[in-house]
Amino acid sequence: DAGITQSPRHKVTETGTPVTLRCHQTENHRYMYWYRQDPGHGLRLIHYSYGVKDTDKGEVSDGYSVSRSKTEDFLLTLESATSSQTSVYFCAISEPGQGSPLYYGYTFGSGTRLTVV
Amino acid sequence: KQEVTQIPAALSVPEGENLVLNCSFTDSAIYNLQWFRQDPGKGLTSLLLIQSSQREQTSGRLNASLDKSSGRSTLYIAASQPGDSATYLCAPRPDKLIFGTGTRLQVFP
Repeated sequence: DAGITQSPRHKVTETGTPVTLRCHQTENHRYMYWYRQDPGHGLRLIHYSYGVKDTDKGEVSDGYSVSRSKTEDFLLTLESATSSQTSVYFCAISEPGQGSPLYYGYTFGSGTRLTVV
Repeated sequence: KQEVTQIPAALSVPEGENLVLNCSFTDSAIYNLQWFRQDPGKGLTSLLLIQSSQREQTSGRLNASLDKSSGRSTLYIAASQPGDSATYLCAPRPDKLIFGTGTRLQVFP
């Protein structure tokens, strides 16, 4: 999907273990986002990044951290996975290049299905 | 806080019908609004992007309108087909996309 790849696609992990999900883009977009999708809640924003080393919290950030050391990679870490973090995680990108911000649409990755047992 | 409501939550129609999916949002201070479709177990595919200065956008059998002042958007699907079966998500953008819970559409032959 437009040069955005999420890995792994599926993961099962045990409660209490750290987990890192990766989002990689080849589009040189400035903005990157992590959402989670749960039945009855829709998609909710976890963290986002406006550039290298520039990240901020979203609506449901507790228990998650992120890092962006390169434009193309945005990592989401569950510091100590819990069953409530079982979800489908989507990465998204927006704002190609250095143009006017906030006038562009989002492009989403295919998602990572995470199960915490 | 921006809240997004999509009505109906689910819809089942015979092939060939013209459909209207509704989206309402509480904060009219948005830059744009995006409509997505999501197939079961898949990611989100962007259908249409409407800027706040626009009234509507069209792509093939799809037409989306935006009335920012009243906090409403409508997705119109003409001559529906079984391949249109999916969940449709509306997402206004105050600064980051906010999603509704979607309309699940089933089109049967």
